[in-house]
Amino acid sequence: EVQLVESGGALVQPGGSLRLSCAASGFTLSSYAMTWVRQAPGKGLEWVSGISGSGVSTYHADSVKGRFTISRDNSKNTLYLQMNSLRVEDTAIYYCARVDRGYGSGAYLDHWGQGTLVTVSS
Amino acid sequence: SYELTQPPSVSVSPGQTASVTCSGHRLGDKYVCWYQQRPGQSPVLIIYQDNKRPSGIPERFSGSNSGNTATLSISGTQAMDEADYYCQAWGSNTVIFGGGTKLTVL
Repeated sequence: EVQLVESGGALVQPGGSLRLSCAASGFTLSSYAMTWVRQAPGKGLEWVSGISGSGVSTYHADSVKGRFTISRDNSKNTLYLQMNSLRVEDTAIYYCARVDRGYGSGAYLDHWGQGTLVTVSS
Repeated sequence: SYELTQPPSVSVSPGQTASVTCSGHRLGDKYVCWYQQRPGQSPVLIIYQDNKRPSGIPERFSGSNSGNTATLSISGTQAMDEADYYCQAWGSNTVIFGGGTKLTVL
């Protein structure tokens, strides 16, 4: 059974840093691209970052570019999101999701974790 | 940047067919996915590549995509289908979501 379990969410002050983790099980992590998607309270889904199966290629939304970094350790079956210079508007539930059928047109997010809450507030 | 537009809300009576639309410039040239999100839960993939259903998704869920509009149809709508629905397509190495549609089963 595919499982994705996020952790690392917390209350942090504006300007602070946080690292989220996503522990994967039930499949070979290196065979899949992965993404982070967030959802602000009462709002819709917003894509944050994506990474290829090997980790060589990474992509970030303009809203987080230069502040967030996605990475992965396939040997530990874990996906990460390093978040620096956090802002109040980064407050959201952060989901990791597996990408099936490559990365790009035709691919889809077929499994999602339960999410971890990040609150940025003074 | 590319945008996907969904109606904020759709209402349907139990047993009827619900249609949720997703619009974007030449959207028919892209593959579209649909996700269902019930209150307090994570999103679930219900349609991929315009009209394919993952295993375990009921046959009453179907999708189409042509021109500038993709449509999610739910036939014989049930109370348990009340949820938020999001369409999704790909930009240039980016994932694009529509704003979401709240489906109310009256």
